[in-house]
Amino acid sequence: GEDVEQSLFLSVREGDSSVINCTYTDSSSTYLYWYKQEPGAGLQLLTYIFSNMDMKQDQRLTVLLNKKDKHLSLRIADTQTGDSAIYFCAESRPSGGYQKVTFGTGTKLQVIP
Amino acid sequence: GAGVSQTPSNKVTEKGKYVELRCDPISGHTALYWYRQSLGQGPEFLIYFQGTGAADDSGLPNDRFFAVRPEGSVSTLKIQRTERGDSAVYLCASSMTGRAEAFFGQGTRLTVV
Repeated sequence: GEDVEQSLFLSVREGDSSVINCTYTDSSSTYLYWYKQEPGAGLQLLTYIFSNMDMKQDQRLTVLLNKKDKHLSLRIADTQTGDSAIYFCAESRPSGGYQKVTFGTGTKLQVIP
Repeated sequence: GAGVSQTPSNKVTEKGKYVELRCDPISGHTALYWYRQSLGQGPEFLIYFQGTGAADDSGLPNDRFFAVRPEGSVSTLKIQRTERGDSAVYLCASSMTGRAEAFFGQGTRLTVV
């Protein structure tokens, strides 16, 4: 079945760049996503990339996709304490007329002031 | 409303009782999803509605779980004879049909004691 894997924890200093990595197994993935979850909150969609793209930049966020290796990364430039949260990688694939999404287990980002 | 609304935000129930969890999607969103998130895990798919019909209920763990969306807007997830293993955060998301972006509610934290 589909599997999405992430490292559990990342710690960075405020002002540094953070890079969160993700690998997935489904070769028919259509979209790859990054969601942010703060304590006690739902998931906030940060950005997503279509599977035929290899990069997407949105302000401080840069997504890189290596489709051959099934590797996705999220780079956060100038990381702030407000970026501390759990980041979920997800992939979607077509299933019966809709995009079925599978999430990773999340990477907890700790930003040290 | 401005976003996806879920009620209640917290629910504590005794083992064996029946519970209903409500999701009010973003106005005009025809697609609605339920996910379950256990502690330390990513969201796991439960069911997808397109309009009033459950187009994919393959993620429901057993027949104690049921969901409805009678008018194509508000959805209710129903759990019969609750078990301690049902304790989790239940997340609802909605999207426009065919769009990659799904928007999540804050979730309902269900605790079965």
